[in-house]
Amino acid sequence: ILNVEQSPQSLHVQEGDSTNFTCSFPSSNFYALHWYRWETAKSPEALFVMTLNGDEKKKGRISATLNTKEGYSYLYIKGSQPEDSATYLCASHNAGNNRKLIWGLGTSLAVNP
Amino acid sequence: EAGVAQSPRYKIIEKRQSVAFWCNPISGHATLYWYQQILGQGPKLLIQFQNNGVVDDSQLPKDRFSAERLKGVDSTLKIQPAKLEDSAVYLCASSLESAGELFFGEGSRLTVL
Repeated sequence: ILNVEQSPQSLHVQEGDSTNFTCSFPSSNFYALHWYRWETAKSPEALFVMTLNGDEKKKGRISATLNTKEGYSYLYIKGSQPEDSATYLCASHNAGNNRKLIWGLGTSLAVNP
Repeated sequence: EAGVAQSPRYKIIEKRQSVAFWCNPISGHATLYWYQQILGQGPKLLIQFQNNGVVDDSQLPKDRFSAERLKGVDSTLKIQPAKLEDSAVYLCASSLESAGELFFGEGSRLTVL
């Protein structure tokens, strides 16, 4: 694939549910995979920057895994809270002179109290 | 540490008018990005600076958009003349290096009537 694809496009869950999203990216010339959270009326905030195949990173209730050989990353949220409601964006850096970021369209998460 | 500063936060203009956005990145960050984010789409890179040099402006509509980063610090993005389809959030981001984590400003929301 040449683009970064995210699924699902949107998701509605109940408070306390655990959820996960997928990011698919070009596996050739891979350099780094970024996850960002973008809350309404705020600026996007970095969650993780991952580079190593098989890497797993965790920040509180949020974790992410990376498979660079097959070109996918999963983002997991354990015990979703209303404050987790946001758009989750992933972006892939390809190797090259300027390592251009390719962005997905995001997964919009709504957590109902 | 001060974050990325952008102004103005909101701007409403009529088509064919001009507008300018300003960005002050995090001190010491060599790489500066301007993104256009239209509702429902992922961020689109308009231009990427490394210090005061342009490394990628392939998606900048150069007939109406211009950007500069004098002295490798602050940057301005100008649109002249604006079209209806330029209505979007213009995000400025900076990073320590070209492949590193991006730090975003709060964005400048442009409405073209």
